[in-house]
Order: sequence, then C-alpha cells, then structure tokens
Amino acid sequence: SQTIHQWPATLVQPVGSPLSLECTVEGTSNPNLYWYRQAAGRGLQLLFYSVGIGQISSEVPQNLSASRPQDRQFILSSKKLLLSDSGFYLCAWKLAGETQYFGPGTRLLVL
Amino acid sequence: GENVEQHPSTLSVQEGDSAVIKCTYSDSASNYFPWYKQELGKRPQLIIDIRSNVGEKKDQRIAVTLNKTAKHFSLHITETQPEDSAVYFCAAYQYNNNDMRFGAGTRLTVKP
Repeated sequence: SQTIHQWPATLVQPVGSPLSLECTVEGTSNPNLYWYRQAAGRGLQLLFYSVGIGQISSEVPQNLSASRPQDRQFILSSKKLLLSDSGFYLCAWKLAGETQYFGPGTRLLVL
Repeated sequence: GENVEQHPSTLSVQEGDSAVIKCTYSDSASNYFPWYKQELGKRPQLIIDIRSNVGEKKDQRIAVTLNKTAKHFSLHITETQPEDSAVYFCAAYQYNNNDMRFGAGTRLTVKP
C-alpha cells in the first residue's frame, strides 16, 4: 500500500532563516505531488504541484520554492523565512484519475 | 480555472440532528468531487467522493448529492455524533487534471 511521509513534524525557526521540508511517497510510481499551506483556522492554499521529476508549477508567487529531485521526493524550501510563513504544511499525492491523499503535515512556527 | 465556494463556514448542531454542507463550483468540466474531514491538528482525510455520472452516494450516516446542471454538491451527515466535530472541505477537479480546488472549509460542532 502507499504511504506518504513528511518531516520534520514540527519546526520552530527564526525570521530570516532558511527552510527545507521534505515529503516522500512509498508504494507508487510517478505520482503527482502537491504542497499546501494551511494557516491557523483557515483553508488549504495550494503552493506548488509537480507532475514529474524536475517539473514544478507554482500557484502563488512568494518566497518559497519547491523541487522534485526524485520521482517520489518533493521538497519545499525558502532562503529567508517570514513571519507570515507560519502554518501547517501539507504534502499530498495522487495518481492520474484517482483520489488525492495527504501526508501527516509539518507544523512551522516562525518567530 | 475552477473556483469552489463552500457554505456555511461554521455549523453547530445538537447530537442526533442532521448537518448539511453545500458547495458550488464554476468549471462545468469538473467531474470528481471528494469530501475531506480534518480533525484538529491532523491531516485532511477523504470521507466520501462522487463522480459526475452519479447523482447521489451514501456510506452509512454520510451521503453526498450532486447537481451537475446547477453545479453544486452537498454533504449530508445524519444522526450526528460528537466525533463528527471537525472541519470539512469539499473539492472539485477534472478527473485527469493535475489541480484540485478546495472550498474554504466548514467547521462543524456537534453538541452533546
């Protein structure tokens, strides 16, 4: 069966520091991968999605970037964090024509 | 692109009552409509979905209805229980599309 992992589970970072969040999927090949951000008590904001290695589509221009160095690995990065980057970051995967599933999430607090 | 609107944003019901959450979508080409439940601090979990060739689907106390003509779909929860308290998200996308659009969410509270 398929499994999606995210780490770290929680992270506290100072403003201006870099960020790297990782997401990996097991048990499937060539999935579509997604990064969402959820501010406290708010909805799901799509940040990036990828349909293959090295292919990244950005939904919202901001100080974040994403990369897909391997088929089942999706990384979210920032060179300098802002206070507004705090939130719950969710990775998700789906195969073409099938349902989307979310990872356990990373809770980021920028101080 | 697709735009999904969800109402109400908050909903409070007494245990045992029914709850209904409604969503509308803008892209008539959308053909898959999942519903997710997100408990506090956890990831959204798929609870039920419906495809465009079906008007209604039921799974125990949960049902979803779809009106393609009007471009709206609804989640119905009967005999609500305190453990149904959560945030519910609807979504819409074309089955082979890369992009799924979510509603803003409904916070459901079931009072014992």
